[in-house]
Amino acid sequence: KNEVEQSPQNLTAQEGEFITINCSYSVGISALHWLQQHPGGGIVSLFMLSSGKKKHGRLIATINIQEKHSSLHITASHPRDSAVYICAVNGGGTSYGKLTFGQGTILTVHP
Amino acid sequence: DSGVTQTPKHLITATGQRVTLRCSPRSGDLSVYWYQQSLDQGLQFLIQYYNGEERAKGNILERFSAQQFPDLHSELNLSSLELGDSALYFCASSGRSGPISGNTIYFGEGSWLTVV
Repeated sequence: KNEVEQSPQNLTAQEGEFITINCSYSVGISALHWLQQHPGGGIVSLFMLSSGKKKHGRLIATINIQEKHSSLHITASHPRDSAVYICAVNGGGTSYGKLTFGQGTILTVHP
Repeated sequence: DSGVTQTPKHLITATGQRVTLRCSPRSGDLSVYWYQQSLDQGLQFLIQYYNGEERAKGNILERFSAQQFPDLHSELNLSSLELGDSALYFCASSGRSGPISGNTIYFGEGSWLTVV
């Protein structure tokens, strides 16, 4: 079993739909990251969470440390949201950058 | 633009050869990280440097080595290349205030390596 599990692996939506991507992890962490990777390959950091909830535009990320679970929500989805969304966790301290990654969720939003 | 610069963007080389990938971190960032993304293994952490010193090591092969120079740029050296080393190699940086939790990690565009 992977230390970081994402679901679903593939997600197809119509423009305007509310989208949720889930991430569960089995190790102790100090932070969880949501990353976005577009077809060109570049990776963008969307959120870094250690507790609670963060919002940026149409994106919302939540984390429940006790349940070792995080969700990424996209409200009013748009075709430009089509990308791979990756959950990653790190243990912190001197190993801060030692991220462990989920397998990614491929999101396709149709107009 | 994340501010992290990687060169080359694409590289094709033969098995057994050696290549060097270069990374310039965001201005002021002291930490540099290298990651490998392959089709079968996904994204994997390779190694982290902070202000010239190795800080953490992941699934980095003995054929691979890295270093961070006084001007904070970093190089990842891949030698005795095998077909399975074909992957997208990312550099990332963070830590204007040190290698502590709470610093966003910024990724470069990646270097596509194809070994033929």
